[in-house]
Amino acid sequence: GAVVSQHPSRVICKSGTSVKIECRSLDFQATTMFWYRQFPKQSLMLMATSNEGSKATYEQGVEKDKFLINHASLTLSTLTVASAHPEDSSFYICSAPGQGSVGYTFGSGTRLTVV
Amino acid sequence: GEDVEQSLFLSVREGDSSVINCTYTDSSSTYLYWYKQEPGAGLQLLTYIFSNMDMKQDQRLTVLLNKKDKHLSLRIADTQTGDSAIYFCAVPSGAGSYQLTFGKGTKLSVIP
Repeated sequence: GAVVSQHPSRVICKSGTSVKIECRSLDFQATTMFWYRQFPKQSLMLMATSNEGSKATYEQGVEKDKFLINHASLTLSTLTVASAHPEDSSFYICSAPGQGSVGYTFGSGTRLTVV
Repeated sequence: GEDVEQSLFLSVREGDSSVINCTYTDSSSTYLYWYKQEPGAGLQLLTYIFSNMDMKQDQRLTVLLNKKDKHLSLRIADTQTGDSAIYFCAVPSGAGSYQLTFGKGTKLSVIP
């Protein structure tokens, strides 16, 4: 079935640095990728929708300049957390509509800790 | 927009059945989903139901859909310790939408 590979799975960075998270669709082309953020004991909050070859669509309240999304190819979408601060610490998950199948395929998530 | 509600916790004894409930507001969704999330992991599609069905059974899993009441449930028969996880109900955010709206998740704890 469709697989989305997400890296890294865990990252610890210092406050003020930038972190890049990658999501790759391994055996299908993902023209659309969704980026979610999950707070402890809470549901997934959609941050933005990335579209291959065009600008991402951000949800209300999500800072475009802090959460930079690039969808440069049909198999790769990246989320860069710019100048990360401790409040950006969270679990980030990407998802793509499954090609030829019902449902959406999720990456395994990235646990970001900013110290 | 779509609003999806589910209870936050459920505790059952091993071998018993678990029933996780979900209510939603938008009735135009074609598919409704249940996802499972184990600690520190991403989401795994557990099962789904098409909106013109009222029941779907898949081994130990039974999904019931009451479109009139906008109520979705997931029943896990013979619950095992390996079923301990957070279960999310997810509904597309409007007709033809790729975006999903998730409930807050129900944490299922299985007592040996």
